[in-house]
Amino acid sequence: LAKTTQPISMDSYEGQEVNITCSHNNIATNDYITWYQQFPSQGPRFIIQGYKTKVTNEVASLFIPADRKSSTLSLPRVSLSDTAVYYCLVAPNQAGTALIFGKGTTLSVSS
Amino acid sequence: KAGVTQTPRYLIKTRGQQVTLSCSPISGHRSVSWYQQTPGQGLQFLFEYFSETQRNKGNFPGRFSGRQFSNSRSEMNVSTLELGDSALYLCASSPMGQGSQLETQYFGPGTRLLVL
Repeated sequence: LAKTTQPISMDSYEGQEVNITCSHNNIATNDYITWYQQFPSQGPRFIIQGYKTKVTNEVASLFIPADRKSSTLSLPRVSLSDTAVYYCLVAPNQAGTALIFGKGTTLSVSS
Repeated sequence: KAGVTQTPRYLIKTRGQQVTLSCSPISGHRSVSWYQQTPGQGLQFLFEYFSETQRNKGNFPGRFSGRQFSNSRSEMNVSTLELGDSALYLCASSPMGQGSQLETQYFGPGTRLLVL
């Protein structure tokens, strides 16, 4: 399984755009990139998933370059409620795949 | 649709005891996975069940076991509890757990287990 590396922590202010980059140098051809968000004492929540180029939903955008060795989660205009841990996961599309969570990035948003 | 529910939400046990945690997946979901989350080790995969069969297993000792019922509800059991088993145990469900694209896993709120 591909190993992921992302910053341990990031700080931001309300209203700013936040970009969290994840590197996954040994990503395999059939691996997808998925981001989850977790608040304290809650289970992780799916944010966005992609394979290549750009994916956008109502919450975030995911940018994946052509070589797929990294990806960037973009959160537009963050608010205090976006303070959470963000996990980047890389996993193959196999049945029963276990999600391998790294340490994640703790995002702190201040007013 | 109701989300993933886990019971109990909090539990205190003593070393040597055993514990059973329950997870009810989202209606229609057939795959249930269990994870353990601790401050030191983070989120770690325990096992995954699909159609009452364990399909994938993480690197945990045999004291950790699970099962899935015909209605997709799942239970996990930890026998001979150790202090290090204190953790948040999370259950996640997904519709099929397979396919051409990874399915989203929906997590429950977790059961916080404290072993004294």
